[in-house]
Amino acid sequence: AQSVTQLDSHVSVSEGTPVLLRCNYSSSYSPSLFWYVQHPNKGLQLLLKYTSAATLVKGINGFEAEFKKSETSFHLTKPSAHMSDAAEYFCVVSDVGLTGGGNKLTFGTGTQLKVEL
Amino acid sequence: DAGVTQSPTHLIKTRGQQVTLRCSPISGHKSVSWYQQVLGQGPQFIFQYYEKEERGRGNFPDRFSARQFPNYSSELNVNALLLGDSALYLCASSLQGAADTQYFGPGTRLTVL
Repeated sequence: AQSVTQLDSHVSVSEGTPVLLRCNYSSSYSPSLFWYVQHPNKGLQLLLKYTSAATLVKGINGFEAEFKKSETSFHLTKPSAHMSDAAEYFCVVSDVGLTGGGNKLTFGTGTQLKVEL
Repeated sequence: DAGVTQSPTHLIKTRGQQVTLRCSPISGHKSVSWYQQVLGQGPQFIFQYYEKEERGRGNFPDRFSARQFPNYSSELNVNALLLGDSALYLCASSLQGAADTQYFGPGTRLTVL
């Protein structure tokens, strides 16, 4: 079964400094990986997705992630944090092996990003 | 374009009652998935439907059921509610469901007293 591990439950940065949110994955084949963001009392918004086309994936709001097969990692980065980036971030793997032919998303436990002035 | 919509936004029920949650997918999307997000945790997969057929089921008891209608909207039903069913229930839609990106609605917050 596919799984992801988010290495930090909380990350705190100052506004204008770089952001690094870490994620490792476990997969028996080449996975589809995603980062979603959830602002308080809101649904999940897709930040970016990796589907084997390119190892460096650019997303919305200046975020990007790099797929490293040798390290089984998919870390999320942003060069300069903004106050509006404060939210919970989920690393997600897609499992297409459901019996009925569908796919399910398996979420990590989330990383709460705090941005301070 | 309208995104995924869910109703109601909030719901309060008592133990033992039954609840129905509704979801309308993005126009053109034929697959709907349901997830449960307990406070402080990541969402957990409940069901996926495509063209009215169940394509996958997560590790949830039979008290949870769902269906998809010809217009691709979906309902999630939970019977005999327990306190532990209190959660944010998220609906996601995708084009066909197999390996497509899933787009989430704002969720329904269910509180069981």
